[in-house]
Amino acid sequence: AQKITQTQPGMFVQEKEAVTLDCTYDTSDPSYGLFWYKQPSSGEMIFLIYQGSYDQQNATEGRYSLNFQKARKSANLVISASQLGDSAMYFCAMREGRGAQKLVFGQGTRLTINP
Amino acid sequence: GAVVSQHPSRVICKSGTSVKIECRSLDFQATTMFWYRQFPKQSLMLMATSNEGSKATYEQGVEKDKFLINHASLTLSTLTVTSAHPEDSSFYICSAFPGLGDKETQYFGPGTRLLVL
Repeated sequence: AQKITQTQPGMFVQEKEAVTLDCTYDTSDPSYGLFWYKQPSSGEMIFLIYQGSYDQQNATEGRYSLNFQKARKSANLVISASQLGDSAMYFCAMREGRGAQKLVFGQGTRLTINP
Repeated sequence: GAVVSQHPSRVICKSGTSVKIECRSLDFQATTMFWYRQFPKQSLMLMATSNEGSKATYEQGVEKDKFLINHASLTLSTLTVTSAHPEDSSFYICSAFPGLGDKETQYFGPGTRLLVL
């Protein structure tokens, strides 16, 4: 079974609009972390936001927020006021347990911001 | 902070040669580093976990004799692709784990594009 599922291969959004990228996960470990990374065409992986399984509040980092619904096992990324520079691949990832554990990535969503 | 570098950024080699890729944590120590591979239009797949001073842990299906990993210091891990073949052409990216903290995140290097002719 897939541990991380991103169901949107591609998304097209008008500049300045908000966009939600979906991510669902599957784990039986009570302690886990959820991450979103942005990968532009250059290939680098840029860390955007993190949500711990025990965090009570949804994480926010500037224009990025994570809509964490634990019971539904979803961790959607919300980008407010999208910009042309937001066009990239976006990956959701999960770490099971704590510490130096491997990340499991979803298949990614290609976001295109139209002017 | 939390900067990770990779060298080289791009390499083209002939089939049968070996290629070494370096991953360095520039402003922190990393007892654990990870090596991922990404084929075009696909996601990142973990190849191995590199631990300073001990043998690397390889994921199922990854040949440890072909992808040699050495984590000789707290800031450097190397991946050597031995006897490279065209099917090894891929984007190789490393990450480093700086230690427990509020995010416990890994920081990624810029990646290395390998093309084997």
